Amino acid sequence: AQKITQTQPGMFVQEKEAVTLDCTYDTSDQSYGLFWYKQPSSGEMIFLIYQGSYDEQNATEGRYSLNFQKARKSANLVISASQLGDSAMYFCAMRLLMYSGGGADGLTFGKGTHLIIQP
Amino acid sequence: DVKVTQSSRYLVKRTGEKVFLECVQDMDHENMFWYRQDPGLGLRLIYFSYDVKMKEKGDIPEGYSVSREKKERFSLILESASTNQTSMYLCASIGTSGIQETQYFGPGTRLLVL
Repeated sequence: AQKITQTQPGMFVQEKEAVTLDCTYDTSDQSYGLFWYKQPSSGEMIFLIYQGSYDEQNATEGRYSLNFQKARKSANLVISASQLGDSAMYFCAMRLLMYSGGGADGLTFGKGTHLIIQP
Repeated sequence: DVKVTQSSRYLVKRTGEKVFLECVQDMDHENMFWYRQDPGLGLRLIYFSYDVKMKEKGDIPEGYSVSREKKERFSLILESASTNQTSMYLCASIGTSGIQETQYFGPGTRLLVL
């Protein structure tokens, strides 16, 4: 079974600073995808960024980048130049991928990190 | 833009009632999922479906059933609601663009069972 560990239950960061949210994962499979989601207080889950296990380049989406270290099984999210609107819960998740036959199952989520950006 | 919609944002039901949570996606995705989210427990997979009339149990299917009669619609059914099913319910569908996979979530339904 897959497991996602987010060791930071909460973080306080000054506005405009860069933020790194930690995520480690555990799986014996070679083919998987890693996801980061943002969940503001309104409750919706907002997709931020995706990294496939075979992708050699770290994924980037605007101010978000994923620091993928496959040997260490870590997939940290980096937010550059944080903004007040970045305050939210952040979830790391993974899913096994079987490209020949569709997905194996749903996402396995970490417990989340509550990020608070201070002015 | 991909859109996943859920029939209700907030729902209050009584113990023993039959509850239907509806989810619709407009991107012709084959894979759809139901999760519940609870404080301290994170998101847990209840059921998922790969295609019409197909369903698979997730990690916590007890007390729930699902229906997928049409590709765009995936319904979660609480046959006899209980107070421990008070939770946030999130529906999602998966799309793939090249090698990039994205799971899109609906806005969630906060269910209170009294």
